[in-house]
Amino acid sequence: EIVMTQSPATLSVSPGERATLSCRASQSISSNLAWYQQKPGQAPRLLIHGASTRATGIPARFSGSGSGTEFTLTISSLQSEDFAVYYCQQYDNWPPWTFGQGTKVEIK
Amino acid sequence: QVQLVQSGAEVKKPGASVKVSCKASGYSFTSYGVTWVRQAPGQGLEWMGWISAYNGMTGYAQNLQGRVTLTTDSSTSTAYMELRSLTSDDTAVYYCARLWAVAGHSWFDPWGQGTLVTVSS
Repeated sequence: EIVMTQSPATLSVSPGERATLSCRASQSISSNLAWYQQKPGQAPRLLIHGASTRATGIPARFSGSGSGTEFTLTISSLQSEDFAVYYCQQYDNWPPWTFGQGTKVEIK
Repeated sequence: QVQLVQSGAEVKKPGASVKVSCKASGYSFTSYGVTWVRQAPGQGLEWMGWISAYNGMTGYAQNLQGRVTLTTDSSTSTAYMELRSLTSDDTAVYYCARLWAVAGHSWFDPWGQGTLVTVSS
């Protein structure tokens, strides 16, 4: 089973600043990675698939990059609605699909 | 619009079973799979299993094998997740999601609103 590790666990950022979240896979997963956003009390929402393709309706301030084992989600200028928990998920060798443990982006 | 609407919260005693439904609308139900993910209080996301709404093929997480069963009813565009022999460790919010699978790639979009299952004596 592929293990996904996210860092940091918590990221404190001021509104308008840039946020950079990392995700590492225990083995190469090519570009078979998705990112999800989850706000308190809500279901997760797909942000990115294919490591860098934004899902429908996702603002351009969200961007994904990476391949192999190292991936990054960047939020270029944090808006108030972006404070949430972000999960990466691999789908290179499924099933199973595996998630990282999440990164909480909080207001600094 | 594409939507998945789940059944309401459940409270169960240890040893009991629970069956959660997930009604899909806004798309061709049998053209996609459905996957289930759970989230214990304050914890991350745990994948549970998936089912093809086209032919009923299933796959389950190893740690739940034998306790979970996924089914679909194409006449009502509804997916079901049944979990048996419940313990307090099964207390969680259970989500269904549409499974996109294209040329070997797959992701979950959209998700249902979640169903809280509480296991307590």
